[in-house]
Amino acid sequence: DQQVKQNSPSLSVQEGRISILNCDYTNSMFDYFLWYKKYPAEGPTFLISISSIKDKNEDGRFTVFLNKSAKHLSLHIVPSQPGDSAVYFCAASVPSGSRLTFGEGTQLTVNP
Amino acid sequence: DAGVIQSPRHEVTEMGQEVTLRCKPISGHDYLFWYRQTMMRGLELLIYFNNNVPIDDSGMPEDRFSAKMPNASFSTLKIQPSEPRDSAVYFCASSLLGTPEKETQYFGPGTRLLVL
Repeated sequence: DQQVKQNSPSLSVQEGRISILNCDYTNSMFDYFLWYKKYPAEGPTFLISISSIKDKNEDGRFTVFLNKSAKHLSLHIVPSQPGDSAVYFCAASVPSGSRLTFGEGTQLTVNP
Repeated sequence: DAGVIQSPRHEVTEMGQEVTLRCKPISGHDYLFWYRQTMMRGLELLIYFNNNVPIDDSGMPEDRFSAKMPNASFSTLKIQPSEPRDSAVYFCASSLLGTPEKETQYFGPGTRLLVL
């Protein structure tokens, strides 16, 4: 039972354009959402997060949007850079929980 | 700080053999997590510890898998006997406070396991 789903295994964009990565969840108890970024042969690293009391969080070129009614979140990267090429994982947790539930990941490739 | 340290980085073994993966968390971190990454299921939490005590092992696939944390600076994940379907990348992560909104999890580089 995959409670967090990333339906696009891969995404390819041109340098300078916007990258939009999507994530859907089924557990309505989730109240905190995160994006992790993973380069080959390295562990995932935290990128950005959002609480369910917000609908948007921005950090430089990265913005996460949350639509609670649709149980959907997205990560926008503007402008995309070749160094952004990595696997992006969406994750979620319940209130006061330590457990993170991850999606399958999306491989982003930014072409020069 | 050196970050989370995992060994070995790569392991190739034959079906039926015992495999032991090792993890050293960041010093001072009270929470330690073991994950498995596969293409189909992404990152799955196998088990996590708080202050060396297993808190949630509901993700451990079956009795062939076991994990221990004998002290605050060392944990092992053991598979006995190993099977080809166990082939995956296994990550260890640690955090100071446990809840993601207070403190992120820091991941090690992973152990890539191949069971032939």
